[in-house]
Amino acid sequence: GENVEQHPSTLSVQEGDSAVIKCTYSDSASNYFPWYKQELGKGPQLIIDIRSNVGEKKDQRIAVTLNKTAKHFSLHITETQPEDSAVYFCAAQYNFNKFYFGSGTKLNVKP
Amino acid sequence: EAGVVQSPRYKIIEKKQPVAFWCNPISGHNTLYWYLQNLGQGPELLIRYENEEAVDDSQLPKDRFSAERLKGVDSTLKIQPAELGDSAVYLCASSPHRAYNEQFFGPGTRLTVL
Repeated sequence: GENVEQHPSTLSVQEGDSAVIKCTYSDSASNYFPWYKQELGKGPQLIIDIRSNVGEKKDQRIAVTLNKTAKHFSLHITETQPEDSAVYFCAAQYNFNKFYFGSGTKLNVKP
Repeated sequence: EAGVVQSPRYKIIEKKQPVAFWCNPISGHNTLYWYLQNLGQGPELLIRYENEEAVDDSQLPKDRFSAERLKGVDSTLKIQPAELGDSAVYLCASSPHRAYNEQFFGPGTRLTVL
């Protein structure tokens, strides 16, 4: 099966700074990589995703990069705001519709 | 459009008691997932349904856990008997169909076993 590792486990940044969260996966057959944001008491919500045939994708202040050779992908948040504070999860889709999640990064944006 | 609905939101039981969680997916979504989320961890798949068929239940501890999705809509996840280690958040997610990658998660049920 797949194994997804996520770093760091906690990240504290000043409002306006950038935040980067990194994930690695083990199986080269994984082909879809979503990122989720989970706020307290809520379920994870998809914020951006990338497929294995794309190297980078951007949506306003959020971007994701994928390096298939190295089997790692990263989430970049620019101009962070206090409302970006949450737990972020990366995931890798393996074997069609089976998702493996990272252990999460708790992001704290200080005003 | 209503999202994925789960109930109850919170449940506290004593060990060895049974417990059941209910999920109503987004209307028209054929694929339904149950995940277990331990504190400080990412979700782990328990079971996936395509309509009423359980197509992946390899991670479901079948000695105490059971699930059903009658008529391919609502789903129920049951634990009997519950153990202390079952304390976690149980998440339900749905997707329009198996070829659609995005999953839509419900708010989860937080289970505490005393």
